[in-house]
Amino acid sequence: DTAVSQTPKYLVTQMGNDKSIKCEQNLGHDTMYWYKQDSKKFLKIMFSYNNKELIINETVPNRFSPKSPDKAHLNLHINSLELGDSAVYFCASSPDRGRAGYTFGSGTRLTVV
Amino acid sequence: GENVEQHPSTLSVQEGDSAVIKCTYSDSASNYFPWYKQELGKGPQLIIDIRSNVGEKKDQRIAVTLNKTAKHFSLHITETQPEDSAVYFCAASGYTGFQKLVFGTGTRLLVSP
Repeated sequence: DTAVSQTPKYLVTQMGNDKSIKCEQNLGHDTMYWYKQDSKKFLKIMFSYNNKELIINETVPNRFSPKSPDKAHLNLHINSLELGDSAVYFCASSPDRGRAGYTFGSGTRLTVV
Repeated sequence: GENVEQHPSTLSVQEGDSAVIKCTYSDSASNYFPWYKQELGKGPQLIIDIRSNVGEKKDQRIAVTLNKTAKHFSLHITETQPEDSAVYFCAASGYTGFQKLVFGTGTRLLVSP
């Protein structure tokens, strides 16, 4: 069983399109995250939800909107995609508001052409 | 906010040698320091972590040391094997109602047979 699963694994799309990435965790964790990994492998947090409540919202363009329908799911919707949005996006989850380690998904490689 | 620096960016060793990766952090309130291993095409995986009330932790060939005064922590891998080749990330966070991991820039470790 995959603990944190993301779909799709690969996403190639044109500039200006709108796309969504889905994430689900079956670990019973309360907190979920979206991280962005750029071409230099730098990992930067974007958002975090705890029990469907937004608790971290870093300096991310308004074109990015997270949605958490329940504590097991955290989706990421991106409007008007730009070339600079190309990256690998990782979903992660953790118990106890992050006081234990994170479990990451396998990532979604987004390529904007 | 927290800032984590990691060195070296690349590290090449021969099989059987030891490898050491070093990180420094800026926020003296940080109290949780995990290390992640990222293999090609996969998400980061937690390999060991340490909390600020402990100076050293060991798990088989992997050990982490923490110097709170100097705000340094290090990952030590002994008897390296080719399967240890990956990108390693350190991270730091403090708890302010929730825990937000800030990652270092990563170290690409290559273990040659």
